Amino acid sequence: AQSVTQLGSHVSVSEGALVLLRCNYSSSVPPYLFWYVQYPNQGLQLLLKYTSAATLVKGINGFEAEFKKSETSFHLTKPSAHMSDAAEYFCAVRTNTGNQFYFGTGTSLTVIP
Amino acid sequence: KAGVTQTPRYLIKTRGQQVTLSCSPISGHRSVSWYQQTPGQGLQFLFEYFSETQRNKGNFPGRFSGRQFSNSRSEMNVSTLELGDSALYLCASSLVAATQNTEAFFGQGTRLTVV
Repeated sequence: AQSVTQLGSHVSVSEGALVLLRCNYSSSVPPYLFWYVQYPNQGLQLLLKYTSAATLVKGINGFEAEFKKSETSFHLTKPSAHMSDAAEYFCAVRTNTGNQFYFGTGTSLTVIP
Repeated sequence: KAGVTQTPRYLIKTRGQQVTLSCSPISGHRSVSWYQQTPGQGLQFLFEYFSETQRNKGNFPGRFSGRQFSNSRSEMNVSTLELGDSALYLCASSLVAATQNTEAFFGQGTRLTVV
């Protein structure tokens, strides 16, 4: 079964510091992976998605993620954190049939001024 | 272009009652999925509808049901509410029937509190 694991339920970084949110996937076939962000009392917003066209995927708000098959990882990074980046981040994978997402447990990002 | 609209945003119900939540997808989108989000279980798939047909259902009891109308709007119903049904219910729409690389656009959710 496909699944994703997010290491670290809480991450704190200083404003201007590198953001690194970890996601590892479990799949027997190349997956299609997504990162979503959720701000308080809001729904999920798509940050980026991997579709095998390129291993380095650039998303909105300066975020990017690199697909590493050898490490079964799809970590999310941003060179310089902004206060507005404080939110919950979810890594997700679709099933082989595509009917549903499997979401990770989420990582809450705190940005310290 | 309007996003995914979920109504109502907040709802308080009593145990044993039933509730209906509504979701209007992005114009032109024909696929609607529902997810339940709780602090303990995270985000869990409820069901997906495409062209008024349920394509897939998650592992939830029969008290949870849904439907989709010809204009792609969807409703989900929960009967005989339990305290554990308290959650944020999210609706997601996609242009076509969901496949592996189909992105989904989420609404703001309906916060259901069962007392």
